[in-house]
This record gives sequence, C-alpha cells and structure tokens, in this order.
Amino acid sequence: GENVEQHPSTLSVQEGDSAVIKCTYSDSASNYFPWYKQELGKGPQLIIDIRSNVGEKKDQRIAVTLNKTAKHFSLHITETQPEDSAVYFCAALPGGSNYQLIWGAGTKLIIKP
Amino acid sequence: EAQVTQNPRYLITVTGKKLTVTCSQNMNHEYMSWYRQDPGLGLRQIYYSMNVEVTDKGDVPEGYKVSRKEKRNFPLILESPSPNQTSLYFCASSFRDNNQPQHFGDGTRLSIL
Repeated sequence: GENVEQHPSTLSVQEGDSAVIKCTYSDSASNYFPWYKQELGKGPQLIIDIRSNVGEKKDQRIAVTLNKTAKHFSLHITETQPEDSAVYFCAALPGGSNYQLIWGAGTKLIIKP
Repeated sequence: EAQVTQNPRYLITVTGKKLTVTCSQNMNHEYMSWYRQDPGLGLRQIYYSMNVEVTDKGDVPEGYKVSRKEKRNFPLILESPSPNQTSLYFCASSFRDNNQPQHFGDGTRLSIL
C-alpha cells in the first residue's frame, strides 16, 4: 500500500528566511497531495493542495511542487513569519481509493525571531 | 459558521469504562472520518463514512465502533477502552470524499488509565 515519508521532523528557520518540507510517496498512482497546518490546540487545516496533472501551485507565500518521476512533493514557505510556526502534515491519496488519505508523520516548523 | 464540533475536548477515564466521543458538522457533508494522532506517527484513520448508514474501517479500527444514523453526526465509541487508546482524536468531514479539503474538529484528548 501507499507509504508517505516526511522530512525533516523539526525545522528551525530565522524569521524572513524560506522553509522547505519534503515528502516522498510510494504509490505511483497517487493523484492528490494536500498540505495541512496544525496550530497548537487546533485541528489540521488545509493550506494548499496539488493534483497529479500539475507540477507547481502557488498561493501568496506558499507553494507546492510535485515531481511524479521521483515521487516526491515539497512545501515551500517564503518570507517566514512568526505565525507560520506550527506542525505541517503532507498527505497522499492513493490511486483507486478516494476515501483514505495516507499521511506523513509531520514537521514541526519553528520560526526564530 | 461552518464547523466540525467534537465533545468532549478532554477526558480522563479508566480501563473498561465505555465512552463515546461525539462529532457533529453543519456543512451538509457526506463524508466523515475519525483519526487518531500519536507523536511520530502522524494521523491514522480509524473509521470513515461515505454517507448515512455507510461506514468502513480505516487503518486502525481495532477497539473502536462508529455509527452514522444522521448525516451531521458521526460518534466514535470505545466499548472497553484500554491504555493503548490514549491519544488525540480528530473528527473530519468533507463534501464527498478525501479528494477534497477535509474540515477538522479541534480534537479530543483521551487518557485511559
């Protein structure tokens, strides 16, 4: 079955710098890749997603890239701000099932002032 | 306000004492699911429901039950809780399936002594 690995588990960056979180997946038929942000005491919230027919997607300071050949996708946050501090999860939707997302283990992003 | 509401938010109980965690959504979503979140393991799906009276097992269903008698409600039942079910639980919903944004509740922290 599908397996999603997420790295790093913790990322500390200076405010204003960029942050990159990477996920790899195993099922080449996976077709939907969302990223969620989880703030302390809250549930995860979708911040950006990408489908397998697209290579890159941007939304202001956030972007996601997908490399289907290498089976990895990455979250890029530019000009980081204190409110970006959170846990970020990637996920992949395996081919053949729309009902079970497979999640990465999460990355704790720390923005240093 | 569109939301997913879980109750209780926190519960400490003892082994073997049946408990129910309620989940309600006000967005008329067809799809609902339950996850547990444990450090280093990300989110693991327990059960999901595609619509009223239609449920299926996720990755870690052992020791849990669910029901979907109404579209808005999806309770999680632990008939005989054990310490290994101590975890942070999230309910989520979406319009149809996991191919769309999931809306999460704020979580229920369960401690089974």
